[in-house]
Amino acid sequence: GAGVSQSPRYKVAKRGQDVALRCDPISGHVSLFWYQQALGQGPEFLTYFQNEAQLDKSGLPSDRFFAERPEGSVSTLKIQRTQQEDSAVYLCASTTGGVRTEAFFGQGTRLTVV
Amino acid sequence: KQEVTQIPAALSVPEGENLVLNCSFTDSAIYNLQWFRQDPGKGLTSLLLIQSSQREQTSGRLNASLDKSSGRSTLYIAASQPGDSATYLCAVSKYGGSQGNLIFGKGTKLSVKP
Repeated sequence: GAGVSQSPRYKVAKRGQDVALRCDPISGHVSLFWYQQALGQGPEFLTYFQNEAQLDKSGLPSDRFFAERPEGSVSTLKIQRTQQEDSAVYLCASTTGGVRTEAFFGQGTRLTVV
Repeated sequence: KQEVTQIPAALSVPEGENLVLNCSFTDSAIYNLQWFRQDPGKGLTSLLLIQSSQREQTSGRLNASLDKSSGRSTLYIAASQPGDSATYLCAVSKYGGSQGNLIFGKGTKLSVKP
């Protein structure tokens, strides 16, 4: 596609509910990243995929967070039993791969847990 | 641990003024530095990417410089316009990170008054 696409744009979840956030990266991009951005803060790294392999999940805040990219393209970030502190904007980025490439971000999903 | 700091946190200027946004980082072992723009409720738009071997990059009215040894970058905006109003984020891609995951500052919120 022309850019990184994320859905839904907004999600309101009741505390304890499970949610799934989708990221469709730029076609052909090998690397995919998820970030979490709290209000007034910069984005913070959650996890990284190279093709379908999840090579780094050190930023996931708890075992309630799970991400997958089964076919090396679309990725899903799943949050189980949501809590109020999970409220944030979740951003997805993709690159062509390697450490020197430019990152392109989606519009983000704003998650509000009530 | 790599830390990125942006000063000032907020800036308000009259239209037409030239301005400088500052970014500093604690660990000079980086692959590159990227400047982004974020509009309210939106994702990140990449403005400029500077590789660690480069000193500056230019795009239109924007010029970004990098002094890796001192851990500093500046984003210069010439002849500012109201449409430049947004939050500007800098991020570094550091050695040892997952193939380019980014460490962000908290951003500078710019307001350009007509």
